[in-house]
Amino acid sequence: ETGVTQTPRHLVMGMTNKKSLKCEQHLGHNAMYWYKQSAKKPLELMFVYSLEERVENNSVPSRFSPECPNSSHLFLHLHTLQPEDSALYLCASSHVRRESPLHFGNGTRLTVT
Amino acid sequence: GQNIDQPTEMTATEGAIVQINCTYQTSGFNGLFWYQQHAGEAPTFLSYNVLDGLEEKGRFSSFLSRSKGYSYLLLKELQMKDSASYLCAVKPHQAGTALIFGKGTTLSVSS
Repeated sequence: ETGVTQTPRHLVMGMTNKKSLKCEQHLGHNAMYWYKQSAKKPLELMFVYSLEERVENNSVPSRFSPECPNSSHLFLHLHTLQPEDSALYLCASSHVRRESPLHFGNGTRLTVT
Repeated sequence: GQNIDQPTEMTATEGAIVQINCTYQTSGFNGLFWYQQHAGEAPTFLSYNVLDGLEEKGRFSSFLSRSKGYSYLLLKELQMKDSASYLCAVKPHQAGTALIFGKGTTLSVSS
C-alpha cells in the first residue's frame, strides 16, 4: 500500500460540474498539501494544512475549496472550473519538521471541458 | 519574491556523470530538496541539504552553497532508468510550511 493515495487518478468534468479529489496518507504525518502541476511550469502550492489547520493559501481562486477533516485525509472540492484548470493535482504529506521531505501521491489528472 | 532556476533539459549517455545545477533566491532558507519524477508518476525524494557541503547517497550526491544560493545534483554511473525530471525545491520558512519548486530539469539518458 502506497504511503499517499489519491483518488480518482483521472477526472474529466464540465465547467458546471462539482467534483471532489480525495487524498489519504498512511505515514503518520501531520501536515498535508495540495499542489498543481502544469506543463512547463513549476509545481504550484495551493493549500497547506499543518496539524489540521490551514496555514497557507496562495491566492487560489475560490472555485477550489480544500477540506482537512483529520490528519490523514485531505479533500479538494471543485466547482465551476475553467479549461485552464486542467492539470495534474498532487497531494503530499510530511512531518512538521524542517528536514522532513514531502511524500507525494500519484496525482489526479484533471481535464475540464 | 521567490525564484528557483534550473536548466530545462539535459542529455547524457549510460555510464556517464551528469551535474544538474540549481540557483535560488528566496525570502528565507530552511533547506533544499531534490526530487526525481518519472513521467506519469509522483515526485520521489532524493536528498536534503541545509548546511554547506556535499551529501552523498549511493550514485547520487547533492551539494549546497548557501552564500551563493546554489546547489547541484550529481548523478554517477548513469542508467537508462535515470531518465526523468529532477526537481529542485527550497523550504523558505520554518518547519510546517511548504516547498517552493523550480520548473524541473528533464534528463534523457541514451545508450
